[in-house]
Amino acid sequence: DIVMTQSPDSLAVSLGERATINCKSSQSVLYSSNNKNYLAWYQQKPGQPPKLLIYWASTRESGVPDRFSGSGSGTDFTLTISSLQAEDVAVYYCQEYYSPFPLTFGGGTKVEIK
Amino acid sequence: QVQLVESGGGVAQPGRSLRLSCAASGFTFSSYGMHWVRQAPGKGLDWVAVISYDGVNAYYADSVRGRFTVSRDNSKNTLYLQMNSLSPEDTAVYYCAKPRGSGSYWDFFDYWGQGILVTVSS
Repeated sequence: DIVMTQSPDSLAVSLGERATINCKSSQSVLYSSNNKNYLAWYQQKPGQPPKLLIYWASTRESGVPDRFSGSGSGTDFTLTISSLQAEDVAVYYCQEYYSPFPLTFGGGTKVEIK
Repeated sequence: QVQLVESGGGVAQPGRSLRLSCAASGFTFSSYGMHWVRQAPGKGLDWVAVISYDGVNAYYADSVRGRFTVSRDNSKNTLYLQMNSLSPEDTAVYYCAKPRGSGSYWDFFDYWGQGILVTVSS
């Protein structure tokens, strides 16, 4: 199984400042034949299901504000919120979809306002 | 618009059974493999199971294999999760989730249901 490790567990950022979340996979999720990283990011607000933000490590889902961006390749990935807004308070998860089952998620990173 | 609506949750005693349903609409249900993902209270997301578009193949997390069975009725656009031999560790919100692509079992999820709470307690 691929293990996804997120850091930090939580972070507090001032409104308008940058938030950076890291996700590390125990093995590469880069598929060499198509040069795609099989890595997605989700946002989950309290009492709500997860919402897809980013897939293929850096492709923003339609309707997601451009302050959200994803980067990285292989085993190390980052979700960046360039200018934190109040509505971005949530838990963020990474997910790999590279391997046969099980599909695995990171442990989550809670983002709060400082 | 895509909608996924879970039902059938509630409280069950250890060792008992529950069956969850997920009613799908807004997309061609019969073309997509469908997944169950769960989230224990205050915890992260755990993938549970997937079933192929035609119901022929199913795969499970080690933690539920042999106890849970995923099935579907494409004529009713409904996904099911039969949960037997429940234990307190199965207490979680259960989500059905639609993958983006119709051609692969492993994928990311573009739509999720609102989730249904299953509590296993004596």
